[in-house]
Amino acid sequence: DAGVIQSPRHEVTEMGQEVTLRCKPISGHNSLFWYRQTMMRGLELLIYFNNNVPIDDSGMPEDRFSAKMPNASFSTLKIQPSEPRDSAVYFCASSLASQLNTEAFFGQGTRLTVV
Amino acid sequence: GQSLEQPSEVTAVEGAIVQINCTYQTSGFYGLSWYQQHDGGAPTFLSYNGLDGLEETGRFSSFLSRSDSYGYLLLQELQMKDSASYFCAGLYSSASKIIFGSGTRLSIRP
Repeated sequence: DAGVIQSPRHEVTEMGQEVTLRCKPISGHNSLFWYRQTMMRGLELLIYFNNNVPIDDSGMPEDRFSAKMPNASFSTLKIQPSEPRDSAVYFCASSLASQLNTEAFFGQGTRLTVV
Repeated sequence: GQSLEQPSEVTAVEGAIVQINCTYQTSGFYGLSWYQQHDGGAPTFLSYNGLDGLEETGRFSSFLSRSDSYGYLLLQELQMKDSASYFCAGLYSSASKIIFGSGTRLSIRP
């Protein structure tokens, strides 16, 4: 397997524009996580899905953020409209969630810059 | 709540031993993991403790004490390539939710 695949790797956009980040989890994994990483706030959990169902979106900062997982092999994180304070590295991770198998595999991240 | 605390920075000497501590909130807690992240890279899994005690993986060991809501990562025979950020991560909510600590930046001097 190629691991968790995120696209794009880098995104520069103007304030007010819509941004869509994409993630393909590892085949067979049943949990998918979206994290945001900044120097100030560290690695924040935004939302996670279990079997394609959003379980906890309490980390989503505002209504401008939305995430979907239409099937087991694809998820998107959308920001509309984007703001400069959304600039960060966004990571997607997947795991085969169980009490015995806890390893989360991360994609390489999308570095988002909103100007 | 579900949050984890760890020191922001640790400095050590090449060849030495260093311990990175982590305390966590217990509501819904299942177990504790550790991840390593090099600058510009993605976090990678190092270890997991589901039970109290010590888990050893080569030069790295991880420990958990549920009674103290505390764990640590022990790195032995430090090498320059171990310079990175280390995150403890709590497994919560029926083992499906992973919350990360703020990270400890480990700097290693020759």
